[in-house]
This record gives sequence, structure tokens and C-alpha cells, in this order.
Amino acid sequence: KAGVTQTPRYLIKTRGQQVTLSCSPISGHRSVSWYQQTPGQGLQFLFEYFSETQRNKGNFPGRFSGRQFSNSRSEMNVSTLELGDSALYLCASSPGTSDVGQFFGPGTRLTVL
Amino acid sequence: DAKTTQPTSMDCAEGRAANLPCNHSTISGNEYVYWYRQIHSQGPQYIIHGLKNNETNEMASLIITEDRKSSTLILPHATLRDTAVYYCIVRIRETSGSRLTFGEGTQLTVNP
Repeated sequence: KAGVTQTPRYLIKTRGQQVTLSCSPISGHRSVSWYQQTPGQGLQFLFEYFSETQRNKGNFPGRFSGRQFSNSRSEMNVSTLELGDSALYLCASSPGTSDVGQFFGPGTRLTVL
Repeated sequence: DAKTTQPTSMDCAEGRAANLPCNHSTISGNEYVYWYRQIHSQGPQYIIHGLKNNETNEMASLIITEDRKSSTLILPHATLRDTAVYYCIVRIRETSGSRLTFGEGTQLTVNP
């Protein structure tokens, strides 16, 4: 099976702009989770989508949002970008109904100038 | 999710076994122990998980103490490619949601 893919891999934006990141999970996986990784805060959970519904949400402001499509692909959006949003954004997929662990994509490196 | 404690860093010689400890003294009965690792600038990689029995797969072995308050991840023959940050995570069943709470992890350095 193909692994988790994320696009784009690298992105440069300026403050105030918005950005949309995309994630394609492993075929058959219905759960997609998003994480933010920064040197200061480490890996932090953003939210999880399962069967097109948000099932879990982390402690991030409303500028961070996401959605999941019927084919399980997911997008996350960050509006009104701030310098502190510069990070590696990781997507992980899992079946969502069995305990087999999560499988992460390579991430999208976002730089906000 | 229960809190975990791991050493900040460890070294291991190539070809030897790497034993990575994790303390989770507040673990509850329905919480699993998961291990992930992250090689620099890549996404984390799932390694193994268990509830109370020891587990083994092609990557590693997981030894959980009888009282479940601690566990050890064993890489039987460490290679240079095993140099990574290893995360021990305790959480409830994934059927209730796939949220992972990552701590600082252990930086394992495998030396030639």
C-alpha cells in the first residue's frame, strides 16, 4: 500500500495570509489526525477527523481548521498566519477502529515571513 | 492520557541491543503503551504497542512489567539507522480517538 502523502512539502507565506495543506491517508484508513511540530513546543495534536467528522480537537485557536472528504482525504487550513505558525505540519492516518498505531506522512514545512 | 517519563538521551554501540526505558506509574487499566520514533526531519514512525503482555514484531520487542508501571523497548541489534528520538506514549484505545500526546522522548544515538 502507498503511504501517507502530504502536499505541498514546503511552503513559504507571509503574515496575514492563509494556507491550506493536504493529506491523503493510506487506502482504507478512515481516521486522519494533524499535528504541529515546533522546536519550542514539540509535537502537538491539532485535530482528528473520522468519517468526515471531527472526533478530537487539540488546544489551538480557531484560526486552525480542517475537514475531511468522503474519500478520507483531509485538508487543514490556517488563516491570518502568524510568525509563530512556522512549523512542520504532520498528518497521520489509521483505520480508526482498531489499535494498530498511526502512520505519519513526511510533513509540510511551513515558513511564515 | 497517563504521563510518561523517559531519559533524555542514550547511547548504544552498533550491533548491540538498545534498551529504552519508560515509566508510566499512573497508567490505568484501559491504557495501552505505544512506542514511536522520529528520525530527524521525518514524520514519526509507529514501532509497537501493548497492553500487558510482552510484544514482539519485526522492528522491536516491548516488555511491560507485571504492575504495568514501566516498560522497555528493545531494539535487538541496533544499527546507525536506528538513531532517532523515541517516544513512549500511554493512551486509551484508538477506537475512542487517535489523539497522541508526545513528550520529550529519548534521543538514541547509535555509534559505530
